[in-house]
Amino acid sequence: QQQVRQSPQSLTVWEGETAILNCSYENSAFDYFPWYQQFPGEGPALLIAIRSVSDKKEDGRFTIFFNKREKKLSLHITDSQPGDSATYFCAAKYSGGSNYKLTFGKGTLLTVTP
Amino acid sequence: DTTVKQNPRYKLARVGKPVNLICSQTMNHDTMYWYQKKPNQAPKLLLFYYDKILNREADTFEKFQSSRPNNSFCSLYIGSAGLEYSAMYLCASSRPGLGAETLYFGSGTRLTVL
Repeated sequence: QQQVRQSPQSLTVWEGETAILNCSYENSAFDYFPWYQQFPGEGPALLIAIRSVSDKKEDGRFTIFFNKREKKLSLHITDSQPGDSATYFCAAKYSGGSNYKLTFGKGTLLTVTP
Repeated sequence: DTTVKQNPRYKLARVGKPVNLICSQTMNHDTMYWYQKKPNQAPKLLLFYYDKILNREADTFEKFQSSRPNNSFCSLYIGSAGLEYSAMYLCASSRPGLGAETLYFGSGTRLTVL
């Protein structure tokens, strides 16, 4: 059972466009949602994260929109650059108690064409 | 320096032979994780160490072992490799504190079992 789903599997945008990556989850207990960015040959690295008490989180060109009722979130990358080409993983966890488990989606491969 | 190092980068193993993968970090992180990543699948948590306490996921409990001789090092051990073990193995660590949320990943070890 896949608890975190991402779409599309791959996405190609032109330089300067806005890329929209989607994520949905099943477990209502999840309350922390990080996005990890992975370049070829490297490990994933935290890009931006949001908690379920918020509906939006911005960091420069990267914005997370969160809809708790629908259990959906999306990552918007404005003014996309070729250097943003990477795989983006949506993840989720329940931050209460001593829960250490981060559940990942399959990832979205983003290609930004110059 | 937020670096997690994994060795080797690539590993070839024969079916039925043991495999040992190594991970190290110098950030004094108390928790270290091992994830398995196969193509078109989400990174899957195999096990993690919180300090000296090993926690293994129920569905991979008997397939993987681990040791953590000191705070900096953590190994992943496969007693008898099968073809299904071919994957990228990602090590990660997180900073001290219960529920610490940011994972710092290594670049991974790509294991191929023949």
